[in-house]
Amino acid sequence: QVHLQESGPGLVRPSGTLSLTCGVSGDSIRSETRWSWVRQPPGKGLEWIAEIYHKGNTNYNPSLKSRAIISMDKSRNQFSLSLSSVTAADTAMYYCGGQGGWYVDSWGQGALVTVSS
Amino acid sequence: QSAPTQPVSVSGSPGQSITISCTGTRGDIGGYNHISWYQQFPGKAPKLIIYEVSNRPSGVSSRFSGSKSGNTASLTISGLQAEDEAYYYCCSFASSYSYVFGTGTKVTVI
Repeated sequence: QVHLQESGPGLVRPSGTLSLTCGVSGDSIRSETRWSWVRQPPGKGLEWIAEIYHKGNTNYNPSLKSRAIISMDKSRNQFSLSLSSVTAADTAMYYCGGQGGWYVDSWGQGALVTVSS
Repeated sequence: QSAPTQPVSVSGSPGQSITISCTGTRGDIGGYNHISWYQQFPGKAPKLIIYEVSNRPSGVSSRFSGSKSGNTASLTISGLQAEDEAYYYCCSFASSYSYVFGTGTKVTVI
């Protein structure tokens, strides 16, 4: 059973870059699984951010594409999210996930990132 | 892309059946069968309960079922139980080669 764990700074300054990493255990990041990021602002709904395939192909939410980068480090069995030019609107719980298909079937516990000066 | 629309809240008594709708467009729900549903308890990560419109992952109760007609997907919970009280989100693959979550529905067992 795959286990996912998000890590990264919980506080980011406005106009700065948010960086999160998702450690994967119980599965190889080289597998057929796709890996993704989803976020949820406090008290609000879910928003899909991006996904990366084991071969490195990526897809992004059109509304975030200009600021987001998803990448993977196969040697460390982890993948990452970078979101630039953040504002208070980017304050959210960020979840990493594994996709067995066109759905997220494994989730990390989430990492709360606050954008504030 | 706009989020598919779900009712803000749905309620039912124990044992009843309820249905949550998720209305999108031809560019998402109407155009693909890559529709999933997630259950989320406050302070917890979402959990997949339906994938590919109507398939249940192993371990998910058969009381949960999914369907689709046109631009609307639906989640039905049969034999409603107190433990079903949670938020539910639909999600669809979209033509921009991305995914879009629905607005979310709070289910209350009264």
